[in-house]
Amino acid sequence: GQNIDQPTEMTATEGAIVQINCTYQTSGFNGLFWYQQHAGEAPTFLSYNVLDGLEEKGRFSSFLSRSKGYSYLLLKELQMKDSASYLCAVRDSNYQLIWGAGTKLIIKP
Amino acid sequence: ETGVTQTPRHLVMGMTNKKSLKCEQHLGHNAMYWYKQSAKKPLELMFVYNFKEQTENNSVPSRFSPECPNSSHLFLHLHTLQPEDSALYLCASSQDSGAGADTQYFGPGTRLTVL
Repeated sequence: GQNIDQPTEMTATEGAIVQINCTYQTSGFNGLFWYQQHAGEAPTFLSYNVLDGLEEKGRFSSFLSRSKGYSYLLLKELQMKDSASYLCAVRDSNYQLIWGAGTKLIIKP
Repeated sequence: ETGVTQTPRHLVMGMTNKKSLKCEQHLGHNAMYWYKQSAKKPLELMFVYNFKEQTENNSVPSRFSPECPNSSHLFLHLHTLQPEDSALYLCASSQDSGAGADTQYFGPGTRLTVL
């Protein structure tokens, strides 16, 4: 079967750096997405990776290793507003999106 | 209005009621989606429409009935629901370019409680 694994919950301190990991086993691979979802709000698109390596967007970076079936989302200079759930999703060979259960990130002052 | 909107934001209904959820996208996209989001579970894809035609129905019970009158509007008609159907129902849209990078944009969801 197809599977996406993410930690259920993480805690970090304001101003620090946190890395949220995502591992996947899917039938084929056509890219990996990260979304941010604040409680009670819509998931919002953060990043898309299809080639190996690091993509940087301001305080957020996303890394992909296709050979390892692994990605991470790196958040720098954490702010209280970064408290949210982070969803990892992989597009498989049928172009279906397979979703992880999300990682709830709690930022403490 | 911009992006993807959903109404109502909250809905409480009894098991014998009939209600409808509405979604509208203002992005000029060709594909629309219904998802169910339950606590600590992955998003569950329910239905997909491309150019108003239903292309996915992921074994969803018949008590959920989708309708897509045009590429901007999507409805989810609900009847005789069960308490386990209580969840956040999310609507999304995408260009449906056929590319791997085709990105879905979500509405804020309808929080449904079935009593």
